[in-house]
Amino acid sequence: RKEVEQDPGPFNVPEGATVAFNCTYSNSASQSFFWYRQDCRKEPKLLMSVYSSGNEDGRFTAQLNRASQYISLLIRDSKLSDSATYLCVVTYYSSASKIIFGSGTRLSIRP
Amino acid sequence: DVKVTQSSRYLVKRTGEKVFLECVQDMDHENMFWYRQDPGLGLRLIYFSYDVKMKEKGDIPEGYSVSREKKERFSLILESASTNQTSMYLCASSTFSVTEAFFGQGTRLTVV
Repeated sequence: RKEVEQDPGPFNVPEGATVAFNCTYSNSASQSFFWYRQDCRKEPKLLMSVYSSGNEDGRFTAQLNRASQYISLLIRDSKLSDSATYLCVVTYYSSASKIIFGSGTRLSIRP
Repeated sequence: DVKVTQSSRYLVKRTGEKVFLECVQDMDHENMFWYRQDPGLGLRLIYFSYDVKMKEKGDIPEGYSVSREKKERFSLILESASTNQTSMYLCASSTFSVTEAFFGQGTRLTVV
């Protein structure tokens, strides 16, 4: 079983739609959680951190459920520029901090 | 601005060659990571390092080794390149507490 699992998509939604991504992780010792965004042929970049209390950044809302080992990302009022691959990221500490990426969910926004 | 720089954007090497991929970061980060990214498989962790001369195996270390002689530099070595190591290689760095990982621009390696 993969340590971090995501629905690969692709999600193809119209501009203005609300879209939700989910992610599950297997290691209950996981400490930090993030969503990254990767544009085509570019490196991944941090979109937002995910906190237990849930957090919002403009049109983006991230939530964490530690009991279910589940992370979500909600994008409201989607824009064409939101088209990208969204990567769920989990870190945990064994002998050192380890950062594990999900395989990504591809989102395509159509006009 | 944090900068993570990988030495090459594109590399073409022959089967059996020894290949060095270099990564340098300028933010005094403790942690450095090497990933490879393949379609449908996402980013897979090859090796990581939390200090000079310290290294840990990731999920797919076979066929690779690493070197961290200086804090700012983390090298990935393909001892004898094979065609199944054709991939995009991404280096990242972070502070010890991993508040954010910063990536280099990637090296697309083709082994022929």
